[in-house]
Amino acid sequence: KAGVTQTPRYLIKTRGQQVTLSCSPISGHRSVSWYQQTPGQGLQFLFEYFSETQRNKGNFPGRFSGRQFSNSRSEMNVSTLELGDSALYLCASSLGGTENYGYTFGSGTRLTVV
Amino acid sequence: AQTVTQSQPEMSVQEAETVTLSCTYDTSENNYYLFWYKQPPSRQMILVIRQEAYKQQNATENRFSVNFQKAAKSFSLKISDSQLGDTAMYFCAFPIQGAQKLVFGQGTRLTINP
Repeated sequence: KAGVTQTPRYLIKTRGQQVTLSCSPISGHRSVSWYQQTPGQGLQFLFEYFSETQRNKGNFPGRFSGRQFSNSRSEMNVSTLELGDSALYLCASSLGGTENYGYTFGSGTRLTVV
Repeated sequence: AQTVTQSQPEMSVQEAETVTLSCTYDTSENNYYLFWYKQPPSRQMILVIRQEAYKQQNATENRFSVNFQKAAKSFSLKISDSQLGDTAMYFCAFPIQGAQKLVFGQGTRLTINP
């Protein structure tokens, strides 16, 4: 079966712009979570959605937001980009409520802010 | 708060050797799970092995096995007969119960030399 698909793979944006990243989970998975990966901070949890509802949110400013659609696809939006937002953004899906069985990750979107 | 610590930023071994990656964690929970993820240059986070804390037996997946010491809160990964394709970043991860998120260690960059 198809894995977790993230688009685009690479993105270059200018400071002050906004960006939208997309994640399509594994078919049947209803939970989608997002992580930011940087060399300095490592992997940090952004938020998690289940059945179109945000269930948990990490410690990120309000410029970071997300949503989930009825088909479980999720988007993440970052407004007013800052240089420090340059990172690899990873999406993970799971059945939801069964995170103990592990999450399946996508290959990420590499965002560069210039 | 749950924390995960990987004390080896980098490791390097020769092909066919055995290597052990260390991980310690802190939690007040009694029943939980632990994961090791591998992130090759392709960037996709791949689940290597999963351990259930209430199980005494250490998990094994082919060449990968863990040494789980619950009292010591230690969860090391052993890779036997290492292969060039094992070259990657390895992350120890702890799912926060009920919070639908993973807490990751800082990662260990493993290089397998021919």
